[in-house]
Amino acid sequence: EVQVVESGGGLIEPGGSLRVSCAASGFTVSSNSMSWVRQAPGKGLEWVSIIYSDGTTYSPDSVKGRFTISRDNSRNTLYLQMNTLRADDTALYFCARIIGGYFDLWGRGTPVTVSS
Amino acid sequence: ETVLTQSPATLSLSPGDRATLSCGASQSVSGTYLAWYQQKPGLAPRLLIYDASTRATGIPDRFSGSGSGTDFTLTINRLEPEDFAVYYCQQYGNSPWTFGQGSKVEIK
Repeated sequence: EVQVVESGGGLIEPGGSLRVSCAASGFTVSSNSMSWVRQAPGKGLEWVSIIYSDGTTYSPDSVKGRFTISRDNSRNTLYLQMNTLRADDTALYFCARIIGGYFDLWGRGTPVTVSS
Repeated sequence: ETVLTQSPATLSLSPGDRATLSCGASQSVSGTYLAWYQQKPGLAPRLLIYDASTRATGIPDRFSGSGSGTDFTLTINRLEPEDFAVYYCQQYGNSPWTFGQGSKVEIK
């Protein structure tokens, strides 16, 4: 079955770091462009990092310098390393596959709460 | 950045009705590169439409998309009970990609 499953979310204090993971099955992560998209409680969707099949990464200004997307080809897994976390980073973090710019496959998300 | 504004914020309809959702862009979206997603509470978004009018695999033909430039529409004919959800548009023609704030279709 083609799917992605996120894990690693949790409660973290402001200024802390956290790495979330996305395990893929049924397709090869490295052959696709992949992304992390987040949704704050009661809010809309915001993409936070993209890694293209050629390894190029891109993040919006809101997280640039704090969030790093990467992948482990041997594990067929995508990661998001989040540093210097702030309260406004609190959200459900989705892993999604990108096809030509739109997101065709999504996981169920992993929750990240930044609070003291 | 291209701001997408969805309207209405909430649409109250009955099963069997037609839903018409709008997505307006602050600048022309290159190549009609616009997608629509459906999200139900507690679940991941699901791709419905891409390239403004192409239905994704497995999406019923009661869902249709149209539009170009700055004005896009998602139409749902003959609403089924499972169609009551939040719908988001997303443009990928201009950098950076952006999402609309969502439109909720609720049961009247």
